[in-house]
Amino acid sequence: NAGVTQTPKFQVLKTGQSMTLQCAQDMNHEYMSWYRQDPGMGLRLIHYSVGAGITDQGEVPNGYNVSRSTTEDFPLRLLSAAPSQTSVYFCASRILSGSSYNEQFFGPGTRLTVL
Amino acid sequence: AQTVTQSQPEMSVQEAETVTLSCTYDTSESDYYLFWYKQPPSRQMILVIRQEAYKQQNATENRFSVNFQKAAKSFSLKISDSQLGDAAMYFCAYDYNNDMRFGAGTRLTVKP
Repeated sequence: NAGVTQTPKFQVLKTGQSMTLQCAQDMNHEYMSWYRQDPGMGLRLIHYSVGAGITDQGEVPNGYNVSRSTTEDFPLRLLSAAPSQTSVYFCASRILSGSSYNEQFFGPGTRLTVL
Repeated sequence: AQTVTQSQPEMSVQEAETVTLSCTYDTSESDYYLFWYKQPPSRQMILVIRQEAYKQQNATENRFSVNFQKAAKSFSLKISDSQLGDAAMYFCAYDYNNDMRFGAGTRLTVKP
């Protein structure tokens, strides 16, 4: 298993440009999520999905779009990048089924800079 | 909205000694989950320990244990026999209904 993979590892954008951060997992996890981590802060939830075709907003969803067409993939789209979106982005996934809370696995992160 | 507070931006411990990291949270829910994550310089998020709010018994994982005080909304992490490899950022997190919130983190330094 490759676990949770994210591409690219680094990206520099200009203000107003659009791009998609890719996230994939090969563990057949129902739940997938996107977080951002800013200096001096913990991770903040952007969007999450509990299965293909289902997405929901987290704590800081503005400026980001997501879709979940397959179980494996959960791309994050920045429609018009702003300097405030400069951050490290983490994707994560976990199993939803079962009676207990299953461990959430995180990807290695994408460092995004918006100039 | 649920908030998670870590009041210690930095902590230091001597190798082989014990250190406790503090965490408080605010919620009106009764059934939720609490976590401690470790983030070394590699940026990888590593789950250290997990606690279900409906369980009164404090979770333990080898050298790591928690002191969960539900009424006080407190969730501290104790690291025993600290090792150089424990040096990292530690984040406390709360999850209710798939909405996970993190504290700002505590940077732990381990002195040889």
